This record gives sequence, structure tokens and C-alpha cells, in this order.
Amino acid sequence: GQNIDQPTEMTATEGAIVQINCTYQTSGFNGLFWYQQHAGEAPTFLSYNVLDGLEEKGRFSSFLSRSKGYSYLLLKELQMKDSASYLCAGMDSNYQLIWGAGTKLIIKP
Amino acid sequence: TAGITQAPTSQILAAGRSMTLRCTQDMRHNAMYWYRQDLGLGLRLIHYSNTAGTTGKGEVPDGYSVSRANTDDFPLTLASAVPSQTSVYFCASSDDVGANVLTFGAGSRLTVL
Repeated sequence: GQNIDQPTEMTATEGAIVQINCTYQTSGFNGLFWYQQHAGEAPTFLSYNVLDGLEEKGRFSSFLSRSKGYSYLLLKELQMKDSASYLCAGMDSNYQLIWGAGTKLIIKP
Repeated sequence: TAGITQAPTSQILAAGRSMTLRCTQDMRHNAMYWYRQDLGLGLRLIHYSNTAGTTGKGEVPDGYSVSRANTDDFPLTLASAVPSQTSVYFCASSDDVGANVLTFGAGSRLTVL
């Protein structure tokens, strides 16, 4: 079966660094996505990885290891506005997205 | 502002009644999707449309129907609502099937009593 696993909740301190992990099992693979969703709002696209390695975009970076079925989202210099849920999704061979339940990130001052 | 408009924002519905959730996009995207989001679960695809005039079933299509008469509109209909359809519904679109960015609407919160 297809599955995405990520932690339910994480807590971090303002100004610190946090890494949100995601493991995936998909039928075929056409990329791994991260979306951010603030409470009561729509998900918004953060990053897409299809090749192994690290993609950096400002304070956010995303890493992919296809051999391990593993990805992580790294958030640096955390700000209070980063408090949100982070959704990991894998795209299978039919270009369907399989979504994780999301990781709720709580930032404390 | 370009994007996706969903209506209504929220609705309380009696079980057995019908309801249509509206979704309109102004980005001329080919592909559109309906997801439901429930606490503790990932987004689940209900129905999708790769292009105007075509639709397909997602992971949880039972009890829902869609139509895609034109590029911009993708309404979701519940013919006879049941309490298990209480959820937040998100409409989304992308340039094309397999495109790497989905744009989501703000969501419609539906409560079926």
C-alpha cells in the first residue's frame, strides 16, 4: 500500500532550527512535496524534490533520499509565524498525491 | 487577486439534504481537484478533472459527484448528505496533471447533522 508517515506534533523555540521528517511508500515515484498550512487556512506550496539532495529556499530547505524513502523539511531562524502544520505528500506513478496527516509545529518564544 | 474561490465558507446541513459546493478558478488551469481534510488524516482526494469535460474518481468518491462543464468551474455535489461527510473541503487546481504545484481554495467547512 501507499503511505506517508510524519510526526503528529513538534515544538521548537523562536530563533532555533527544526527538522520535520517524512517517510514515504508510493507505487512509483514522481516527487515529494511539502506544503504549509496555517490553522483555518488553505495549504500553500513550499517545496518539491524529485532528485536526491538538498534544495534550499531562504530559511526553508528540503532534503530527499529516494533509496531510503525519506525526506525532511528544515526550518532555520524560526519565527512565530512559522507555527503551522507542515504536510508531506508523495506523488505516485499515476501522478496522484498521497498525503501525510501533517506535522503541527508549535513555536515558543 | 488570481486564485480559487470556494463557496460557501461554511454550512450546516441536515442529513439527507443535498448540497453543492462551488469552486471557481481564474488561472486557466487544466486540472482541478476536490479534497476532504479530517482531523488526524491526510488530505483525501474525492474527485478530479484533468481537463474540461472529463472527470475521474479519487480515493473517497462515494456519495459525491462532480462536473466540469468549462475550465473555470468544478462544483462538488452531495446528493444525500450523511454525518460522515462532515469535513473541510478544499478545491485545488494545477497547470496540468502531475504539475508540481497545487493552488488551493480557502476551504468549505461542512457540518452534517
